[in-house]
Amino acid sequence: GAVVSQHPSWVICKSGTSVKIECRSLDFQATTMFWYRQFPKQSLMLMATSNEGSKATYEQGVEKDKFLINHASLTLSTLTVTSAHPEDSSFYICSAPPRLAGYNEQFFGPGTRLTVL
Amino acid sequence: AQSVTQPDIHITVSEGASLELRCNYSYGATPYLFWYVQSPGQGLQLLLKYFSGDTLVQGIKGFEAEFKRSQSSFNLRKPSVHWSDAAEYFCAVGAMDSSYKLIFGSGTRLLVRP
Repeated sequence: GAVVSQHPSWVICKSGTSVKIECRSLDFQATTMFWYRQFPKQSLMLMATSNEGSKATYEQGVEKDKFLINHASLTLSTLTVTSAHPEDSSFYICSAPPRLAGYNEQFFGPGTRLTVL
Repeated sequence: AQSVTQPDIHITVSEGASLELRCNYSYGATPYLFWYVQSPGQGLQLLLKYFSGDTLVQGIKGFEAEFKRSQSSFNLRKPSVHWSDAAEYFCAVGAMDSSYKLIFGSGTRLLVRP
């Protein structure tokens, strides 16, 4: 099956710094990728839709200036948490539906655990 | 608005016992429905999906789910649970706007007694 990777798998940073998380589709192209946030023992909350070649679409309540998304190619999307604070500590997961596959399936990355001190 | 409800936060079953995890959805048309499993600290793995056709869907790891339109349900079942099935299970529905978004339920944590 298709594989989505995320890097790093975990990161610890100081408050006020920025952190970049990469999401890659390893063996398929994805014009769209999704970024989710998951707090402990909670469900996945969609943060934004990353669109290759255009601006990301953010869900209501998500600060676009704080969570910068760049979809640089058909296999790479990045999420940058700017000026991170302890409340941004969470598990971030990306997913991607293969291009041209319709609604067949989304493939999820293994997640990135962010801890802000 | 679309929504997914998983009424059980936790379920505990004995190893070898049968399992049913409940999922109800709110949707205006025939939905795309999914069940995912998440082990601690991991991403999500697709167990099975329903798009159309046979309402009883077979998935991986011995799981199955049945789509019941009249009850707006898509319950997940397994006849005999293994200790390795202990995990968090999420039901999801595909957004109807062709955006490929998934709307997740709150999840059900499965605990397996030896």
